[in-house]
Amino acid sequence: QITLKESGPTLVRPTQTLTLTCTFSGFSLNTSGVGVGWIRQPPGKALEWLGINYWDDDKRYSPSLETRVTITKDTSKNQVVLTMTNMDPADTATYHCARVYDSSGYYFFDYWGQGSLVTVSS
Amino acid sequence: QSVLTQPPSASGTPGQRVTISCSGSSSNIGSNTVNWYQQLPGTAPKLLIYTNNQRPSGVPDRFSGSKSGTSASLAISGLQSEDEAVYFCAAWDNSLSGLWVFGGGTTLTVL
Repeated sequence: QITLKESGPTLVRPTQTLTLTCTFSGFSLNTSGVGVGWIRQPPGKALEWLGINYWDDDKRYSPSLETRVTITKDTSKNQVVLTMTNMDPADTATYHCARVYDSSGYYFFDYWGQGSLVTVSS
Repeated sequence: QSVLTQPPSASGTPGQRVTISCSGSSSNIGSNTVNWYQQLPGTAPKLLIYTNNQRPSGVPDRFSGSKSGTSASLAISGLQSEDEAVYFCAAWDNSLSGLWVFGGGTTLTVL
């Protein structure tokens, strides 16, 4: 059974750095074709992709956020960490992590975590 | 404002067939595959359809997907009350250095 769960602060002050951890089970990030990505959803708004870290440590980031976002993995702990700098109230959102899977060359998010609501406020 | 456009709401009665559209452009749906997700309140999104029309194991065949040009559709036949949820589409977009884009989500109400 594959599960992912996000953990981290629920409240962050403006200009601070957010660190969220995705702890997963049921798969390995050593497996070819697998990755873990982060997606967020501001209240009442659409989903926004933040980035992905793949099994081979290849990282891809959203062009609009790549100067602020870093995604690292710890394969031994089955964890992926999202770091986002210079947080702003506009970054208030539910942050999800999700597994990326390669099916014959086609990638998609197949399992998602429930999400972690992060509020940015002074 | 979402890159992929979905109607904000849809509805149907039990047993009916409903379709939800997802409109994009040549850089996303027009050149890549589409995936669909179902999200019940307070739960993680669940994969319903991948690579345009494939169902993961465990997803009922009442759910089907299709794609034509720069648009995609999710069809739900034999509508059931438990289908009441938010549905959203996703695709890779080749613009800039590439990114995943999503639809704004469609809230399905079973009347």
